[in-house]
Amino acid sequence: NAGVTQTPKFQVLKTGQSMTLQCAQDMNHNSMYWYRQDPGMGLRLIYYSASEGTTDKGEVPNGYNVSRLNKREFSLRLESAAPSQTSVYFCASRGQGGLYEQYFGPGTRLTVT
Amino acid sequence: GENVEQHPSTLSVQEGDSAVIKCTYSDSASNYFPWYKQELGKRPQLIIDIRSNVGEKKDQRIAVTLNKTAKHFSLHITETQPEDSAVYFCAPNTGFQKLVFGTGTRLLVSP
Repeated sequence: NAGVTQTPKFQVLKTGQSMTLQCAQDMNHNSMYWYRQDPGMGLRLIYYSASEGTTDKGEVPNGYNVSRLNKREFSLRLESAAPSQTSVYFCASRGQGGLYEQYFGPGTRLTVT
Repeated sequence: GENVEQHPSTLSVQEGDSAVIKCTYSDSASNYFPWYKQELGKRPQLIIDIRSNVGEKKDQRIAVTLNKTAKHFSLHITETQPEDSAVYFCAPNTGFQKLVFGTGTRLLVSP
């Protein structure tokens, strides 16, 4: 049982390049989330998916798109990376039926130059 | 939406002292009150949570207390140890999909 996994662990992009961050969970959770965490800051919600086939914007969605590929996988895409998107990105999932704990992946450290 | 504040933003204690971190929130519908711990370079992990039908919960050296009337809840750590050094986040919510995390409290425990 791997929990929540993310790839890649590290990435360096040039301004204007695109990339997709991958996230998968093996806990049969309905809900999945993408957060960004800037140095010394809290977690800010980018997008979330309450169930397969649905996605909703969070606090800071501009510059990002997401895809809930199936129940296990939730990807985050940067179409044209900007230095302001330099951050650590965490994926998380949460169970249903009153199980409110969020389980986080190990994070992707992204630098945009 | 939920407005969440944590205090203090940094807290330095000596090993063996107690530490208390407070989280205030605005949404009176919130009914789930978790605390997450994030060690340097690691992912956040749940350390303790409480639901609104309970006023206090303890797990060894950590405890959470809830005051729903005043809309705040607190994390208490007793007999602090250097391995308690981390950033702590609260995330009060209604159990529905969106979570808003507090800005975090950096706890430093000196030997």
